[in-house]
Amino acid sequence: QLVESGGGLVQPGGSLRLSCAASGFTFSTYWMGWVRQAPGKGLEWVANIKQDGGEKYYVDSVEGRFTISRDNAKNSLYLQMNSLGVEDTAVYYCARSQLLAYDVFNMWGQGTMVTVSS
Amino acid sequence: EIVLTQSPGTLSLSPGERAIFSCRASQSVRANHIAWYQQKPGQAPRPLMYGASIRVTGIPDRFSGSGSGTDFTLTISRLEPEDFAVYYCQQYGTSTTFGQGTKLEIK
Repeated sequence: QLVESGGGLVQPGGSLRLSCAASGFTFSTYWMGWVRQAPGKGLEWVANIKQDGGEKYYVDSVEGRFTISRDNAKNSLYLQMNSLGVEDTAVYYCARSQLLAYDVFNMWGQGTMVTVSS
Repeated sequence: EIVLTQSPGTLSLSPGERAIFSCRASQSVRANHIAWYQQKPGQAPRPLMYGASIRVTGIPDRFSGSGSGTDFTLTISRLEPEDFAVYYCQQYGTSTTFGQGTKLEIK
């Protein structure tokens, strides 16, 4: 399973670090990603990271502000979010990619809410 | 970026009826890399299909997917009460993007 944490209320321009704890599968063998959903809106892919952390991909809107990382020894995925804006308000889901860098997400966490507001 | 347009926005049907969801891509999706998800309020998305027509393990066979190129369809042959939810398509042939969703509501 995947369990996210670290969400909360942050002021515009602030930073937040999300975590995702993985269990029940061999975390180090999967591409992992973050997908977000603004309140009442659809799904938006945010970032993906390769098994060894050597490749990372981001949606244009977060490039340069967000950093995805992982610690395979701790079975954990992270998302460091800087320069947050109100448009980043969303539920952030940690998700496991089936096989490829871009693939169906076949396992999802329950999500953690990030609210950017003054 | 490949834009996915789902239609209709809302589908109003009764249990036992057939539901057909459309997902149209702005350009051809490589290798028909299309997935479908179901999402209920307050829950994470649940994967249903991938590769346009392959059911995820454990998904009932009343769910089926088809299509190629730019036009894809998810069909639920006979609606059960638990099927009423929002459905999203995703393309993962070129980076990855999601459609805006179709809400399936009880008529």
